[in-house]
Amino acid sequence: GQSLEQPSEVTAVEGAIVQINCTYQTSGFYGLSWYQQHDGGAPTFLSYNALDGLEETGRFSSFLSRSDSYGYLLLQELQMKDSASYFCVLEGSQGNLIFGKGTKLSVKP
Amino acid sequence: GAVVSQHPSWVICKSGTSVKIECRSLDFQATTMFWYRQFPKQSLMLMATSNEGSKATYEQGVEKDKFLINHASLTLSTLTVTSAHPEDSSFYICSAPRLVNTGELFFGEGSRLTVL
Repeated sequence: GQSLEQPSEVTAVEGAIVQINCTYQTSGFYGLSWYQQHDGGAPTFLSYNALDGLEETGRFSSFLSRSDSYGYLLLQELQMKDSASYFCVLEGSQGNLIFGKGTKLSVKP
Repeated sequence: GAVVSQHPSWVICKSGTSVKIECRSLDFQATTMFWYRQFPKQSLMLMATSNEGSKATYEQGVEKDKFLINHASLTLSTLTVTSAHPEDSSFYICSAPRLVNTGELFFGEGSRLTVL
C-alpha cells in the first residue's frame, strides 16, 4: 500500500528554524510536493522534489531521499504568518495522489 | 491571479436538496481535476479524481451516488452533492495540475457548504 506520515503538530518561536518530516511507504512515485494551508483558505504550492536532494525557495526548502523513504520541509527565519498547516503530497507512478494528514505549525512570539 | 476558480464560495441549503459546485481552470486545459473535502480542524481529504470524458475515480469510502462528478470539458468539472444532509456540511476544494509531473497543483478558492 501507499501511505504518508507526518507529525500532527509542531510549535516553534519566531526566527527559529523548523523541519517537518514526511515519511512514506510506496513502491514508486514521481515526486513529493509540499503545500501550505492557512485556516479557512485553499492550499498553496510551496515546493516539489522529483529527485533526491534539496530544493530551496527563499525561506522554505524541501528535501527528498528516496533511499531513506522520507522527505522534509525546512522553514527558516520563522514568522508569525507561517502559522498554518503544511502537508506533503506524493505523486504516485499511476498518476494518483496520496496526501499526508498535515502538520499544524504554530509560531510563537 | 487565480488559475483555478471555484463557484460558489459558500452556499447554504436545506436538507434533502442538491448543490452543485463548479471548478474551472482559467488559462489552461485540465484533463484531470481533483475534489477534496475538509472538515474543521482536519486535514484535506481527497474524494475523487475527475477525468475529462470519462468516469471519475472515487476514493474508498466516498459514495459515488452521493457525490456526482462531471468533467464535461477540459476546463470545467462539477461536483454535485445530492440529497444533502447536515453531515455533508464541509469545505469542498478542487485542484488541477497545470503541467504534468511538476508536482504543482493549483487549488480553487474552496466552497463552504452548510446544510440546515
